[in-house]
Order: sequence, then C-alpha cells, then structure tokens
Amino acid sequence: GNSVTQMEGPVTLSEEAFLTINCTYTATGYPSLFWYVQYPGEGLQLLLKATKADDKGSNKGFEATYRKETTSFHLEKGSVQVSDSAVYFCALSEFTGGGNKLTFGTGTQLKVEL
Amino acid sequence: EPEVTQTPSHQVTQMGQEVILRCVPISNHLYFYWYRQILGQKVEFLVSFYNNEISEKSEIFDDQFSVERPDGSNFTLKIRSTKLEDSAMYFCASSDSVTQETQYFGPGTRLLVL
Repeated sequence: GNSVTQMEGPVTLSEEAFLTINCTYTATGYPSLFWYVQYPGEGLQLLLKATKADDKGSNKGFEATYRKETTSFHLEKGSVQVSDSAVYFCALSEFTGGGNKLTFGTGTQLKVEL
Repeated sequence: EPEVTQTPSHQVTQMGQEVILRCVPISNHLYFYWYRQILGQKVEFLVSFYNNEISEKSEIFDDQFSVERPDGSNFTLKIRSTKLEDSAMYFCASSDSVTQETQYFGPGTRLLVL
C-alpha cells in the first residue's frame, strides 16, 4: 500500500536558519502530495501541495518540489521564524472513488529559537 | 474564511460507553472524512463519506464505529462501546467537488477513554 516516510524530529533551529524536512513516499500511480502544519493546540492546516511531477508548491516562504524520480517531496524554507514552530506532516492523496484518502507521515516537530 | 468546526474539543468517557463526536464541515463541501491520531503516532484515515454513504473505510473502522450526516450541516462519528485504545485525537475533514483532494481539517476532538 501507499506510505509516507518523514525525517525524525524534533528539529531545533535558530531564527533565520535554513530548514529542510525530508519526505519520501511509496505509491501506486501518481498521487498528489501535501504538506500540512499543526500549530500547538490547533488542527491540521494545509501548507502547500503539488499535483504532478516537477510541480513546486509554495506558501508563506515554504516550498516543496514533487520529484518523481526520487519519490520525494522535501519541505524547505530559506529563513525560519519563531512563529514557524509547529509539527509538519507530509501526506499523499489517493483517489478512492468517493473522495480522496490521505496517507500521512509521522510528522516532524520544528522548534525555532531566538 | 469558512472552516470546519468540531465539538466537543475534549471528551472523557468510561470504557464501554458510547460517544458521539460532532463535526460541521464547510457548507458547500460534499466529501467528508474522519481521521484519528493516537498520541505520538501518525494521523490515520478512518472513513470517507460521500452522497450519504461510506465510500471507503480503513481496517480500524470496525463495527463499533459508524458515521452519519443527520441533517444538512452535521457529520458525526459514533463509537458504540469505547475501548482504552480508542483514546486519540479525532479529526474531521471535508473537501469540495472541484478540488476534492484538498481536505480542510477541523481542530479535533481529544477523546480519553478510562
């Protein structure tokens, strides 16, 4: 079946540091890929998505490129802020006929310090 | 901006009791989902619901679970006889007919079974 593997956390960075959170996937077909973010005490929010190979999703300074050849969708940000502290989830979407089922990675906790 | 809401935010129950978790999806959405996240583990798909019927369910979603859309706005998850291992955060999500795969999540209900 489909699966998503994320790098282990927690990741601790200083403000303005460069962020990479690795995500690889295993899937039949060509799924869409997502990054969701969960701030403390809140639900999952869609951060960005990419629907086909070589697409780049971007939002709030975060980017991720759908790499079919390496089955990866790594999340990057050039300069993190304290407000980016959250748990980040990589996910893929599989169409099931009556909607889409998301398969999530384990989540990576990011802590940004001053 | 429209959002998915869930009630209650927290629920504590005794093993063997029935619980009903409630969700109000975004009003023009047609696809509805439940996911759960056991503490420290992945977000897992439970069930998808479209056109007043279940379109897919996971192996977790056994006979103790049921979903219903009792009116035009609510979407509920019922657990008939709770077990200790049902303790988790339960997330509701919805998506529209155009961008089906982009799911919008509620803030979750934290269920604790004692």
